[in-house]
Amino acid sequence: GENVEQHPSTLSVQEGDSAVIKCTYSDSASNYFPWYKQELGKRPQLIIDIRSNVGEKKDQRIAVTLNKTAKHFSLHITETQPEDSAVYFCAASWLTGGGNKLTFGTGTQLKVEL
Amino acid sequence: EAGVTQSPTHLIKTRGQQATLRCSPISGHTSVYWYQQALGLGLQFLLWYDEGEERNRGNFPPRFSGRQFPNYSSELNVNALELEDSALYLCASSPQDLNEKLFFGSGTQLSVL
Repeated sequence: GENVEQHPSTLSVQEGDSAVIKCTYSDSASNYFPWYKQELGKRPQLIIDIRSNVGEKKDQRIAVTLNKTAKHFSLHITETQPEDSAVYFCAASWLTGGGNKLTFGTGTQLKVEL
Repeated sequence: EAGVTQSPTHLIKTRGQQATLRCSPISGHTSVYWYQQALGLGLQFLLWYDEGEERNRGNFPPRFSGRQFPNYSSELNVNALELEDSALYLCASSPQDLNEKLFFGSGTQLSVL
């Protein structure tokens, strides 16, 4: 089955700096890679996702890059703000005609310091 | 639009008891997924229901089971509770036409004493 590794487990940056979180996956059949943000005590929320036929996707201050050959993908947050502080999870799945069974990484605790 | 709702928010049980967790998907969503989030671990896939049928299950023992009702709401049942079942149980739903977008509920925190 799929295995997703995520690094680092904790990340501390100064406000305004950039943050990068990296994930690797094992199953070359995986074709969908979402990122979720989970604030303390709240539900995970989808912040950006990418399909395997795209190498990069950007949405304002966040971007995701995918390297299919190396089987890794990364989340980039620019101009970080205190409200970006949260746990971020990457995930991978092989989208079939019916469902989306996501395999998640173990999460990165991002702390944006003033 | 109301999001995915789960009940109860917290549940305390003792070893050997049974727990029932409930999930109401977003209106119009037919698929429901259950995930376990244990402390320090990522989200582990438990079960997927669609159109009332169990479509897939993760690497969990048979004492984890559930069902989906005609209105697409879902129940997760955990029998013979063990201490290591203590975790946050998250439900997610997705619409049939955009099946990659999973929307999560806030979860049920299950504590087994």
